[in-house]
Amino acid sequence: AQSVAQPEDQVNVAEGNPLTVKCTYSVSGNPYLFWYVQYPNRGLQFLLKYITGDNLVKGSYGFEAEFNKSQTSFHLKKPSALVSDSALYFCAVRVPISSGSARQLTFGSGTQLTVLP
Amino acid sequence: GAGVSQSPSNKVTEKGKDVELRCDPISGHTALYWYRQSLGQGLEFLIYFQGNSAPDKSGLPSDRFSAERTGGSVSTLTIQRTQQEDSAVYLCASSLGTGASSYEQYFGPGTRLTVT
Repeated sequence: AQSVAQPEDQVNVAEGNPLTVKCTYSVSGNPYLFWYVQYPNRGLQFLLKYITGDNLVKGSYGFEAEFNKSQTSFHLKKPSALVSDSALYFCAVRVPISSGSARQLTFGSGTQLTVLP
Repeated sequence: GAGVSQSPSNKVTEKGKDVELRCDPISGHTALYWYRQSLGQGLEFLIYFQGNSAPDKSGLPSDRFSAERTGGSVSTLTIQRTQQEDSAVYLCASSLGTGASSYEQYFGPGTRLTVT
């Protein structure tokens, strides 16, 4: 079975400082990894994904994430945080279709990011 | 283009009543998913449709939950004899069925269900 852990329920960072939201995963085989963001009373918005290739992936709104196979991690990062980045962030995993496993995403519990002005 | 739409945005119902939640996926997306988001349970997968294949119902929590997808497009999630523990936000997502672009799912705004 696949699982995702987001060890921090809450992350606070000052505006302009770099931010990191942590994610580790457990899956059989090569993972497909995703980050989504959720603003209040809104659905989830796709930020970025890692499928294969370069371990550093870039996504929307200046976010990036680094896939680390040895540490089974996929931390979300941004060099300079904005107040408008304050939201709930979810990491998710699925396995390749060829493995026969389900196609749905398995989500972490979410991390509330607050960027302080 | 238009994203995933869901209706109603909010639904308040009495315990024991049936409810229907609707999802309109992105045009051309053949895969459709239902998830539930609740306090304490996080985001849970409910059911998955892909084209004309039999749906994957492995996430449905009880036989009070069912879903259908008509014509490979619109989907309806039905909860019979609602219970208070069914209160949650129900999210629908869609994706392309094949190819690399099928991996990311695009979510609707959700339906907030409150069972009183």
